Amino acid sequence: KQEVTQIPAALSVPEGENLVLNCSFTDSAIYNLQWFRQDPGKGLTSLLLIQSSQREQTSGRLNASLDKSSGRSTLYIAASQPGDSATYLCAVRLNNNDMRFGAGTRLTVKP
Amino acid sequence: GAGVSQSPSNKVTEKGKDVELRCDPISGHTALYWYRQSLGQGLEFLIYFQGNSAPDKSGLPSDRFSAERTGGSVSTLTIQRTQQEDSAVYLCASSVNQGKPQHFGDGTRLSIL
Repeated sequence: KQEVTQIPAALSVPEGENLVLNCSFTDSAIYNLQWFRQDPGKGLTSLLLIQSSQREQTSGRLNASLDKSSGRSTLYIAASQPGDSATYLCAVRLNNNDMRFGAGTRLTVKP
Repeated sequence: GAGVSQSPSNKVTEKGKDVELRCDPISGHTALYWYRQSLGQGLEFLIYFQGNSAPDKSGLPSDRFSAERTGGSVSTLTIQRTQQEDSAVYLCASSVNQGKPQHFGDGTRLSIL
């Protein structure tokens, strides 16, 4: 059974720091992996999607990597800003279209 | 707007009642997904539609849960004889096609008294 784990569960950093969020999954037979952002009381906003054949994706200050063989993905946020404060979720898409989400990392960026 | 729209945004009902949750996907998106987010837990996949068909219904937690999609657009998630453990935020997402990025609505917060 596919399990997705995110570490740390919560992270607090001062503004301007670079940071890394970690996601691990137990079964490497995935279709893709997606990173989301969730603000309180809101739905999920897709940040980056990495297909199983890809190694990384970049969007602005965000960079996500995927190492399928080791079952790991990282989300790198450069020059963090208070507006980056949110919960970040990673999700793996299985080949049967089922998706498994991690419990998320709650990020606080202090001004 | 151009995003995924869910209604109602909040629903409070008594145990044993039936509820219907609605999702309007982004126009032209063929794939539609329902998830449940319980307090303190991650998202749980419920069901996925490609067009009007649901190839996999195994994520639905019990036979009290059902979902349908008509005209390749609007979807409804129905929970019959609601129980307190059904209290959660129900999120809907759509994508252009399976395997493409999913766009989420703001969810329906369901509270069963």
